[in-house]
Amino acid sequence: AQSVTQLDSHVSVSEGTPVLLRCNYSSSYSPSLFWYVQHPNKGLQLLLKYTSAATLVKGINGFEAEFKKSETSFHLTKPSAHMSDAAEYFCVVSDPMNTGFQKLVFGTGTRLLVSP
Amino acid sequence: EAQVTQNPRYLITVTGKKLTVTCSQNMNHEYMSWYRQDPGLGLRQIYYSMNVEVTDKGDVPEGYKVSRKEKRNFPLILESPSPNQTSLYFCASSLELAGELFFGEGSRLTVL
Repeated sequence: AQSVTQLDSHVSVSEGTPVLLRCNYSSSYSPSLFWYVQHPNKGLQLLLKYTSAATLVKGINGFEAEFKKSETSFHLTKPSAHMSDAAEYFCVVSDPMNTGFQKLVFGTGTRLLVSP
Repeated sequence: EAQVTQNPRYLITVTGKKLTVTCSQNMNHEYMSWYRQDPGLGLRQIYYSMNVEVTDKGDVPEGYKVSRKEKRNFPLILESPSPNQTSLYFCASSLELAGELFFGEGSRLTVL
């Protein structure tokens, strides 16, 4: 069975500095991996998705993530944080061999705090 | 505008009083699902549906029911709510398996 671990529950950065949100996964097969963002009092929105094409995936709002099979990681990065990036971020893994509908497994989330 | 609409957004109720949270999507998606979000636990799937009249249990289905009589609607029913169902609930839809999920804005439920 697949699982996903977000290594930090909270990450604090200053505006203009780089962002790194860490995610490790466990999957028996080649997974699909996602990052979603949740702004306060809002639903989740897809940031980016990896599906076995390019290992470096670019998403919206300047975010990108790199799939590293040898490290079973899918860390989310952004070169320069903006105040509007303050939100909760979820790493999600989908096991394509599972016969159930979208057997997605969500990480527990990382809250990104951005200070001026 | 493509969207998933949930109602109510906020609800306070009492133990045992049946309630329904509605969910509607206007994107003609086949796949719909319900999640609950609790602090420190991320999102956990309650029920999902692959098409009209096709539903199945997710990871935490106890105490919930769903129905899918029309493609656009996927209501979540709590027949006899209990305090441990106090949570933030999200409905989501997608066009394809393991595809992008489109989420509603959430329904915050408190059961006293």
